[in-house]
Amino acid sequence: AQSVTQPDIHITVSEGASLELRCNYSYGATPYLFWYVQSPGQGLQLLLKYFSGDTLVQGIKGFEAEFKRSQSSFNLRKPSVHWSDAAEYFCAVGARGATNKLIFGTGTLLAVQP
Amino acid sequence: DGGITQSPKYLFRKEGQNVTLSCEQNLNHDAMYWYRQDPGQGLRLIYYSQIVNDFQKGDIAEGYSVSREKKESFPLTVTSAQKNPTAFYLCASSSRGPMNTEAFFGQGTRLTVV
Repeated sequence: AQSVTQPDIHITVSEGASLELRCNYSYGATPYLFWYVQSPGQGLQLLLKYFSGDTLVQGIKGFEAEFKRSQSSFNLRKPSVHWSDAAEYFCAVGARGATNKLIFGTGTLLAVQP
Repeated sequence: DGGITQSPKYLFRKEGQNVTLSCEQNLNHDAMYWYRQDPGQGLRLIYYSQIVNDFQKGDIAEGYSVSREKKESFPLTVTSAQKNPTAFYLCASSSRGPMNTEAFFGQGTRLTVV
């Protein structure tokens, strides 16, 4: 069965600094991979997704993620963080061939210092 | 504007009562989902439906029930059999499985047992 690990529960960065949020997955084949963002008390918004092709994926709000098969990772990056990026970020994995089942990580809460 | 509407935003329930959470979408999506979110646990799938009059149990279906009589609506009933119902509940929809298309989320309903 597939699973997702986000090893960092909470991260604090300074505004303007670079950001990398880690995501490791467990799955026997190439999965579908997603990053979502959640503001407090709100639903989730899709940042980016990987299905196939180029392993570096560009998303909204200046985020990108890189799929590394050898490391079973799909880390989220942003070169310069803005105060509005403070939120909780979820990595999710879906199994190819399975129906309608996304497995979410436990989330990483990002705080941005002025 | 197209989107997913969950109501109410906050809901209080006495122990032993059943409550129903509403989820309506006007995106013409076939698939709809209910997730439960608890602090530090990410999102867990309760039920999902790929078409009208059909739905499947997710990972934590015990104590919950759903119906899908209309394409636009996917209400979730939290029954008295659910031992720990206090949580944040998120409804989502997608045009097909979430693997190929973006899953859109509602703003959530926070349920508290008093």
